[in-house]
Amino acid sequence: EAGVAQSPRYKIIEKRQSVAFWCNPISGHATLYWYQQILGQGPKLLIQFQNNGVVDDSQLPKDRFSAERLKGVDSTLKIQPAKLEDSAVYLCASSLQGTSGTDTQYFGPGTRLTVL
Amino acid sequence: GENVEQHPSTLSVQEGDSAVIKCTYSDSASNYFPWYKQELGKGPQLIIDIRSNVGEKKDQRIAVTLNKTAKHFSLHITETQPEDSVVYFCAAGSNTGKLIFGQGTTLQVKP
Repeated sequence: EAGVAQSPRYKIIEKRQSVAFWCNPISGHATLYWYQQILGQGPKLLIQFQNNGVVDDSQLPKDRFSAERLKGVDSTLKIQPAKLEDSAVYLCASSLQGTSGTDTQYFGPGTRLTVL
Repeated sequence: GENVEQHPSTLSVQEGDSAVIKCTYSDSASNYFPWYKQELGKGPQLIIDIRSNVGEKKDQRIAVTLNKTAKHFSLHITETQPEDSVVYFCAAGSNTGKLIFGQGTTLQVKP
């Protein structure tokens, strides 16, 4: 079974530029998550999708971050404009259902973003 | 708000000794407690999890314990090996599916 795929693996941009990350979850997984992991910290949830609907985006900085999952499969996360403090690893995860609360979340390898 | 505290942040043990990592959570609605390991340059990987209707769970050299009254849960690794030297994260989840992660513990197993 293929795992969660993410691209690109690395991205370096200058502040005020825009960037987009892509995620393809495990086939058949209804729930998709985007996490931000700052160096030396645990992952922090940015947004959770159930199929193509948003379940939780309470910690997404909506003035600069946006995410979509149009067909309920793959997803993109965008930052525009980027700030220095956005430098982090952006992790995508998926789970079979998610709303039962106890589904295992499977993580992709992440995209390491450096903002100069 | 929701919070998970994880201790210690770094842990050094001799090969063959046991290692214990402890977490506390604040949200009473939490009912799912997974533990992940994260190797350098990779995403977190689930190693074991426990649900709120269970007090202890074992899988070979790894065990987790849960005390819901005290809002504590712990990871125990016995007979540690050098390849156990990675970063470990605890997390607490509820019925929404949202996970709150601890700050991580870097385990170093000295040969």
